[in-house]
Amino acid sequence: GAVVSQHPSWVICKSGTSVKIECRSLDFQATTMFWYRQFPKQSLMLMATSNEGSKATYEQGVEKDKFLINHASLTLSTLTVTSAHPEDSSFYICSARDPVPGLANTQYFGPGTRLTVL
Amino acid sequence: KQEVTQIPAALSVPEGENLVLNCSFTDSAIYNLQWFRQDPGKGLTSLLLIQSSQREQTSGRLNASLDKSSGRSTLYIAASQPGDSATYLCAVRGTSGSRLTFGEGTQLTVNP
Repeated sequence: GAVVSQHPSWVICKSGTSVKIECRSLDFQATTMFWYRQFPKQSLMLMATSNEGSKATYEQGVEKDKFLINHASLTLSTLTVTSAHPEDSSFYICSARDPVPGLANTQYFGPGTRLTVL
Repeated sequence: KQEVTQIPAALSVPEGENLVLNCSFTDSAIYNLQWFRQDPGKGLTSLLLIQSSQREQTSGRLNASLDKSSGRSTLYIAASQPGDSATYLCAVRGTSGSRLTFGEGTQLTVNP
């Protein structure tokens, strides 16, 4: 199956700093990528949908100025958590949609990034 | 608004037992339903995807069924093994291209 990678796998930062997380589709071109966050023992909550070459669509309650998403190429999307605070500590997971006809609704998930803000 | 519920939240069984995980959704107008596995601190691995026109899908020891009219899906795991221990998530897609709505998962522990 298709592979989605994330980098870094974990990061610890000080409050007030910004952190960038990369999501790459390794063997396919993804026109659409998704960013989720997951708190301990909870399910995935969609934060935003990112389409290559256009602005991301954010879910209600997600601050677009705090969670900057860039999808500049068909294989890379980035999520930048700006001025991070301890409440932003979470597990961030990206997902990429396979554009191949017949598989257009198959999403492949990255391994996640654990963010801890001190 | 679609809501997905998974029961039970946690399940512990002895090795070798057959088990069923349940998923229900409030809006039966779905495009497809997908079962995922998540190991602690890891991402999601897709197990089975059932299109709305299908009744079930099978992969190895796993069998997923879908009853769209009643808003239910089950994941059957045969002859469970300790390596099956993980959290199992159910997710539905409302229409082609729309977002996935996830349940909160069932944490499965298979004891040797």
